[in-house]
Amino acid sequence: DTAVSQTPKYLVTQMGNDKSIKCEQNLGHDTMYWYKQDSKKFLKIMFSYNNKELIINETVPNRFSPKSPDKAHLNLHINSLELGDSAVYFCASSQDFVAGSRETQYFGPGTRLLVL
Amino acid sequence: QKEVEQNSGPLSVPEGAIASLNCTYSDRGSQSFFWYRQYSGKSPELIMFIYSNGDKEDGRFTAQLNKASQYVSLLIRDSQPSDSATYLCAVRGTGANNLFFGTGTRLTVIP
Repeated sequence: DTAVSQTPKYLVTQMGNDKSIKCEQNLGHDTMYWYKQDSKKFLKIMFSYNNKELIINETVPNRFSPKSPDKAHLNLHINSLELGDSAVYFCASSQDFVAGSRETQYFGPGTRLLVL
Repeated sequence: QKEVEQNSGPLSVPEGAIASLNCTYSDRGSQSFFWYRQYSGKSPELIMFIYSNGDKEDGRFTAQLNKASQYVSLLIRDSQPSDSATYLCAVRGTGANNLFFGTGTRLTVIP
């Protein structure tokens, strides 16, 4: 009965490879997010989708491409992985993205990516 | 200038004491304020949110918001060793569709 789940939990790969991280939420939320948390624990928004539509696209390399097949899923594909991509990637979801109690975000367990 | 600033700590308090965590933000029009707790190796989990000036209490936790000073704080009463974690302040800016997070304050409660 996990609310927000991510796979894989750990990902170790070589530079230059392409990898995907999957996220699913069973909360019935309309909005999903991808965050990157670096080694200094700084949590930064990357993308957000509301009802399968992209609403936030922060300044990230275009090697990162999100995809939302339906509002319960938001996947992250990364091309040509670089050393600097090593981080923990968190998926999150919220009922809505407008101000008010429905904007509260719930986080998945994270995917620890290590690029060698 | 960072949107949300926190003292990175570490902040150490003895068990049973009050821990006070502070956060300032740059966007005066910010509307929503959140405190998340993150244990080492785990994901952030929501502790409290606050929208209006003043205090909001939930059990041992009290969030305080002062929009004029652009300041939000979290007080933890009767601190327990299990409260040892990193506390993240998050703010929703004017017209923003997302949250801006601070870098977090690492709290250690000493038994």
